[in-house]
Amino acid sequence: DTGVSQDPRHKITKRGQNVTFRCDPISEHNRLYWYRQTLGQGPEFLTYFQNEAQLEKSRLLSDRFSAERPKGSFSTLEIQHTEQGDSAMYLCASSTAQMNQPQHFGDGTRLSIL
Amino acid sequence: GEDVEQSLFLSVREGDSSVINCTYTDSSSTYLYWYKQEPGAGLQLLTYIFSNMDMKQDQRLTVLLNKKDKHLSLRIADTQTGDSAIYFCAESLTGTASKLTFGTGTRLQVTL
Repeated sequence: DTGVSQDPRHKITKRGQNVTFRCDPISEHNRLYWYRQTLGQGPEFLTYFQNEAQLEKSRLLSDRFSAERPKGSFSTLEIQHTEQGDSAMYLCASSTAQMNQPQHFGDGTRLSIL
Repeated sequence: GEDVEQSLFLSVREGDSSVINCTYTDSSSTYLYWYKQEPGAGLQLLTYIFSNMDMKQDQRLTVLLNKKDKHLSLRIADTQTGDSAIYFCAESLTGTASKLTFGTGTRLQVTL
């Protein structure tokens, strides 16, 4: 079991640029979640997929954010026209589809906007 | 609405027991979780408890749930320096089967 893998671990970019993060879930986990964590806070839910279907999106997910999971395996999270307020740790988690099965997290991608 | 609260900081001496507390407001919580986060890392699942249980023990960890008071605690026996981290309480709600709502985390400092 290789765990949830996220890439890159760190991303530094200038304001206004687009960024894309990747998450590879634990194999056979058909649910995949994205969270955002700002300094000193707990993670906040952004969105989740069951297989390739995006089933729920938070109001935190503005129009500049888009997430995909085209083949029901890995997922990407893209942020367009980044703003300084986007600086955060972006965490991915996966689980099986059974009710309330625990979510297992990756090590996250830390985004810094200059 | 959903709200999970934790105290910000706890300091204990190595070898003592640590007790980290959490309160939640939504009575439709189904599962409650404890995660550990070390600096620069993601969240490590420690344990979880279903809301119809009162207690769960797993090696050095004991979870107590008081559903009437909506209070959850995590006790770490024989605390070690490697236990120094931020501990997050999280809940999932009946019917959502998806998102977790986290507290702000409790930083545990273990001193020699």
